[in-house]
Amino acid sequence: SQTIHQWPATLVQPVGSPLSLECTVEGTSNPNLYWYRQAAGRGLQLLFYSVGIGQISSEVPQNLSASRPQDRQFILSSKKLLLSDSGFYLCAWSRTGNYGYTFGSGTRLTVV
Amino acid sequence: EDKVVQSPLSLVVHEGDTVTLNCSYEVTNFRSLLWYKQEKKAPTFLFMLTSSGIEKKSGRLSSILDKKELFSILNITATQTGDSAIYLCAVLGTSGTYKYIFGTGTRLKVLA
Repeated sequence: SQTIHQWPATLVQPVGSPLSLECTVEGTSNPNLYWYRQAAGRGLQLLFYSVGIGQISSEVPQNLSASRPQDRQFILSSKKLLLSDSGFYLCAWSRTGNYGYTFGSGTRLTVV
Repeated sequence: EDKVVQSPLSLVVHEGDTVTLNCSYEVTNFRSLLWYKQEKKAPTFLFMLTSSGIEKKSGRLSSILDKKELFSILNITATQTGDSAIYLCAVLGTSGTYKYIFGTGTRLKVLA
């Protein structure tokens, strides 16, 4: 069966520090991978998605970047965090086709 | 621009009440609609709807889609405190990639 792992679960970082959040999927190959951000009590905003190694599409201009160095690994990064980067970050995967998403357990990021 | 709107934004009910959550959408070439329940961390999948008029049921939860009027409802009967959560609706159109557009969610609180 497929599983998705996301870490860390919580993170408190000072403004201006770098960020690296990692997401890996097991039990499948060539998944579509997604990074979403959720503001407090709100819906999900798509940040990045990837349909293959090295293929990254950005949905909104921002202070973040994403990379997919391996088939089942998706990384969300920032060189210098802003206060506005605080939020709940969710990684998700899907098969190609009309299958819906499976989400990771999320990372709560607080920038101080 | 693709859009998903959920209503109400929040709802407080007492145990045993029945609730109806709404999701309306505007997407290009609709393919599917998903409902998720989010408690503290990752959203968990409830239903996928692709065809109008066919009710999906799981215990006390049910959902139906109206592709003509572009909306879906999620019903929860005999609510329990464990139903307290954010309920998210997401819609997939055919924009060339498998990106679901999420609504802002409905926050449901069930009081004992």
